[in-house]
Amino acid sequence: SQQGEEDPQALSIQEGENATMNCSYKTSINNLQWYRQNSGRGLVHLILIRSNEREKHSGRLRVTLDTSKKSSSLLITASRAADTASYFCATDPSGNTGKLIFGQGTTLQVKP
Amino acid sequence: GAVVSQHPSRVICKSGTSVKIECRSLDFQATTMFWYRQFPKKSLMLMATSNEGSKATYEQGVEKDKFLINHASLTLSTLTVTSAHPEDSSFYICSASREDNSYNEQFFGPGTRLTVL
Repeated sequence: SQQGEEDPQALSIQEGENATMNCSYKTSINNLQWYRQNSGRGLVHLILIRSNEREKHSGRLRVTLDTSKKSSSLLITASRAADTASYFCATDPSGNTGKLIFGQGTTLQVKP
Repeated sequence: GAVVSQHPSRVICKSGTSVKIECRSLDFQATTMFWYRQFPKKSLMLMATSNEGSKATYEQGVEKDKFLINHASLTLSTLTVTSAHPEDSSFYICSASREDNSYNEQFFGPGTRLTVL
């Protein structure tokens, strides 16, 4: 079952602009992860934020987590055409199930 | 490190045949592997969790006799789509979790595109 809702579903921006994607979830979690998928390819892990963390940075990526609102955001700063891809959030539900529950994804297009 | 491969990358088969897809962790031991299915422009749907040496755990609505999973070693899991039909056409992706993985980070294979004629 998919517990994540992401918005927007699609986002189109110009190179150099920032892109923000949001993810909401329903259950308590151990952590939340963001993945990237280029068209027709597998997923690449971008960043993981634990339930006791509020913000995390990795290069041009900034992730926030608000467990009270059960939501997370992914910010890509100074976007590049190569950032064009689909981005998925995935939650690791509490209880160590080992499963990841994926959101519906945001398709990002960065125009050169 | 943490590379996962899938084979084949693409397969086209006739209706009624069976297709086997392999998922390998190349440089680490994977105690757990996961099989997902993805429809065009959609998210990943978890089909089953595969643990080495034991039976796979299937998600609700996934037919275990239709999608046979075997996790024969710590580096190999296979998914066999039996008696494939056109509605089984999809993108199948596996992922693997490391033995020393505290945070349930999963490493994904590149996916297999199955087309059933």
